Amino acid sequence: GAVVSQHPSWVICKSGTSVKIECRSLDFQATTMFWYRQFPKQSLMLMATSNEGSKATYEQGVEKDKFLINHASLTLSTLTVTSAHPEDSSFYICSARDRLGGGTYNEQFFGPGTRLTVL
Amino acid sequence: DAKTTQPPSMDCAEGRAANLPCNHSTISGNEYVYWYRQIHSQGPQYIIHGLKNNETNEMASLIITEDRKSSTLILPHATLRDTAVYYCIVRVGQAGTALIFGKGTTLSVSS
Repeated sequence: GAVVSQHPSWVICKSGTSVKIECRSLDFQATTMFWYRQFPKQSLMLMATSNEGSKATYEQGVEKDKFLINHASLTLSTLTVTSAHPEDSSFYICSARDRLGGGTYNEQFFGPGTRLTVL
Repeated sequence: DAKTTQPPSMDCAEGRAANLPCNHSTISGNEYVYWYRQIHSQGPQYIIHGLKNNETNEMASLIITEDRKSSTLILPHATLRDTAVYYCIVRVGQAGTALIFGKGTTLSVSS
């Protein structure tokens, strides 16, 4: 199957700093990428949908000025957590949609996740 | 609103078949049933998906009832590495929209 990578796999930062997380589709082009957040013992929660070359669409309750998303190419989307605070500590997961997929072919592939800890 | 209902947890002995049910009574005609699983501290892994016919791949089988209101994911010979949270998701196949995760079923495989 298609491969999606995330970098870094884990990061620890001080409160008030900004952290950038990269999501890359390694062997396919992704016109759409999705960002999720997962707190301990909870399910994945969709944060935003990112389309290449356009502004991201954020889910209700997700602050777009705090979670900056950039999708500058067909293989790379970035999530920047600005002025991070301890409550932003979470597992952040991206997924990428293969623009050639759909129907009988699965078209969404997930990255391994990034563990963010804000001290 | 939740589109699927799954039992919160299930146990299975290693080597036995694991049958994970999912109820999706409000599924629309153009919605597929997707199954993903998430092993602890990893990203979700695609397992299988189908529209109305039963499907089988190297990982699992998907049995969809004739009225499409429920389905069962079958892991034919569960191993300890199959311990994970399993998510059943319904979604239009080529919509390009995000997968929305419910609470899933925590499958525990023991020796």
